[in-house]
Amino acid sequence: AQSVTQLDSHVSVSEGTPVLLRCNYSSSYSPSLFWYVQHPNKGLQLLLKYTSAATLVKGINGFEAEFKKSETSFHLTKPSAHMSDAAEYFCVVSVIGGFKTIFGAGTRLFVKA
Amino acid sequence: EAGVTQFPSHSVIEKGQTVTLRCDPISGHDNLYWYRRVMGKEIKFLLHFVKESKQDESGMPNNRFLAERTGGTYSTLKVQPAELEDSGVYFCASSELSSSGVKYNEQFFGPGTRLTVL
Repeated sequence: AQSVTQLDSHVSVSEGTPVLLRCNYSSSYSPSLFWYVQHPNKGLQLLLKYTSAATLVKGINGFEAEFKKSETSFHLTKPSAHMSDAAEYFCVVSVIGGFKTIFGAGTRLFVKA
Repeated sequence: EAGVTQFPSHSVIEKGQTVTLRCDPISGHDNLYWYRRVMGKEIKFLLHFVKESKQDESGMPNNRFLAERTGGTYSTLKVQPAELEDSGVYFCASSELSSSGVKYNEQFFGPGTRLTVL
């Protein structure tokens, strides 16, 4: 069985400070892990994906995430927040070779000027 | 390259009426998925097409929901009759089906259709 837990429903940071969005997963098989972002009135956009090639994954817009098997975590980070990063972020798990995807509940990121 | 498109962007209907949502996947993507997000809840999987065949419809809430993908191109999701609890945002996504098998499943999402049932 698979599940994904986003530990914070809301995160608020000041512009220029680091961002940390936390995600823990559970999977009986080798997981694929993704982070998607949704800006208002837009579709979900893929930020980055982990597919077992490298544990530190770099994505678009300066985001990165580290797969930690021992901690079953896949936290999303960015060194310096920008106002345009304000959006909702989803951690997603899927079984490698499979199609079914499980979404986390989402974390809404607020960026203060 | 055009992304996944969905129509309409918003729909407001009364309880008991019928609504049909449409999704046009990225050209050449054989996999098509429907998801729903009810207010304040997670995005939930509804079903998955491979070309015109339903591969997995385990997430469909009940028989008031009917999804079709005739010809393996666009898909429709019909809700008949609509109930209050059907309100939410319906997302469509598509992904490739490579001949070597899908190693990971990167899905491309549409903007969603916001359905409000009054």
